[in-house]
Amino acid sequence: DTGVSQDPRHKITKRGQNVTFRCDPISEHNRLYWYRQTLGQGPEFLTYFQNEAQLEKSRLLSDRFSAERPKGSFSTLEIQRTEQGDSAMYLCASSLGNGDYNEQFFGPGTRLTVL
Amino acid sequence: AQSVAQPEDQVNVAEGNPLTVKCTYSVSGNPYLFWYVQYPNRGLQFLLKYITGDNLVKGSYGFEAEFNKSQTSFHLKKPSALVSDSALYFCAVSDYGGATNKLIFGTGTLLAVQP
Repeated sequence: DTGVSQDPRHKITKRGQNVTFRCDPISEHNRLYWYRQTLGQGPEFLTYFQNEAQLEKSRLLSDRFSAERPKGSFSTLEIQRTEQGDSAMYLCASSLGNGDYNEQFFGPGTRLTVL
Repeated sequence: AQSVAQPEDQVNVAEGNPLTVKCTYSVSGNPYLFWYVQYPNRGLQFLLKYITGDNLVKGSYGFEAEFNKSQTSFHLKKPSALVSDSALYFCAVSDYGGATNKLIFGTGTLLAVQP
């Protein structure tokens, strides 16, 4: 399978714990996005990488959130001191950077539940 | 700011009948519009996009969408619905004005196709 993969698919944690999610984009895609989706809502943009550079962060991304893409390939999203409001589906997407209008390809998501 | 609206939370249609899922948009400049489908516990799958050109865009799984500039709409259509089309459908617009081309999603429309 050469699509976008995410790990883990599900994560249950207690409030106050730290969690880290991983995303492996399609190999030739230099653009990588993180979105968050809550029940009954569409995905909301969190952050964007072009290669290894993080070029934009949403104001939704509080100081407890950090993302990296160290070698321009896979990416990680870490949430420190989780809160119940962080419970959501975290989606990763990637796209080619050779045009402005290329569609994004999404991974299956990581569902986070904070108890 | 770019935005899309999906006025219907749910659309019910009988198998074999035509279906329409509505989307209206608000953009400054040219609209770059997308439709995605989400099956339970899975990520989003790209269906089709409108960038420029013909107002009728054909996509995956027999879906098409009609771009209407005067009505600022981009409705998703299919001539004959299948039970397997039952899923959550999202309209999105690309925020091409920034560096990221991040997607801004509507709230989604649940399509239920009855056998």
